[in-house]
Amino acid sequence: AQSVTQLDSHVSVSEGTPVLLRCNYSSSYSPSLFWYVQHPNKGLQLLLKYTSAATLVKGINGFEAEFKKSETSFHLTKPSAHMSDAAEYFCVVSGRSGGGADGLTFGKGTHLIIQP
Amino acid sequence: GAGVSQSPSNKVTEKGKDVELRCDPISGHTALYWYRQSLGQGLEFLIYFQGNSAPDKSGLPSDRFSAERTGGSVSTLTIQRTQQEDSAVYLCASSLRASKVETQYFGPGTRLLVL
Repeated sequence: AQSVTQLDSHVSVSEGTPVLLRCNYSSSYSPSLFWYVQHPNKGLQLLLKYTSAATLVKGINGFEAEFKKSETSFHLTKPSAHMSDAAEYFCVVSGRSGGGADGLTFGKGTHLIIQP
Repeated sequence: GAGVSQSPSNKVTEKGKDVELRCDPISGHTALYWYRQSLGQGLEFLIYFQGNSAPDKSGLPSDRFSAERTGGSVSTLTIQRTQQEDSAVYLCASSLRASKVETQYFGPGTRLLVL
């Protein structure tokens, strides 16, 4: 079975400083990994995804993530935080069982707070 | 183009009543997924369809929950004899096909409150 652990429930950074949201996964097969963002009262939006191509993945709004198989990690980073980045971020692994063609498995989420 | 749409956006019902939630996927997407988002459980997968077929219903929380999809498009999630613990936001997503590499696009959700 697949699982995802987001290591921080809340992260607070100052505007203009780097952002790091940590994620570790467990998968019985070669997974696809995603980061989704959810702004208050808005739907889930895909930030970026890894599907076994390049291990460094670039997404929207300046975010990127690096797939590290040896560490089973998929941390999300951004060089400089903006006030509009304040939201809930979900690390997600594909599938619940072997094959991964079914539903996504979500982490508990990290609430990102941007201090002015 | 149009994204995934869901209706109603909000639903308040009394304990014991049945409710139907509707999802309209992105045109041309053959795979459709239902999830539930609640404070206690986070985001949990319920069921998915490839075409009109639901290969795995084990994610449904109880036999009061059922879902169907007809014509390879619109899907309805039905909750019978609603309970207070069913209160949550029900999210629908669709993708081009059921595959671990395909992006799932989410709708805005239906917020269900059971009194």
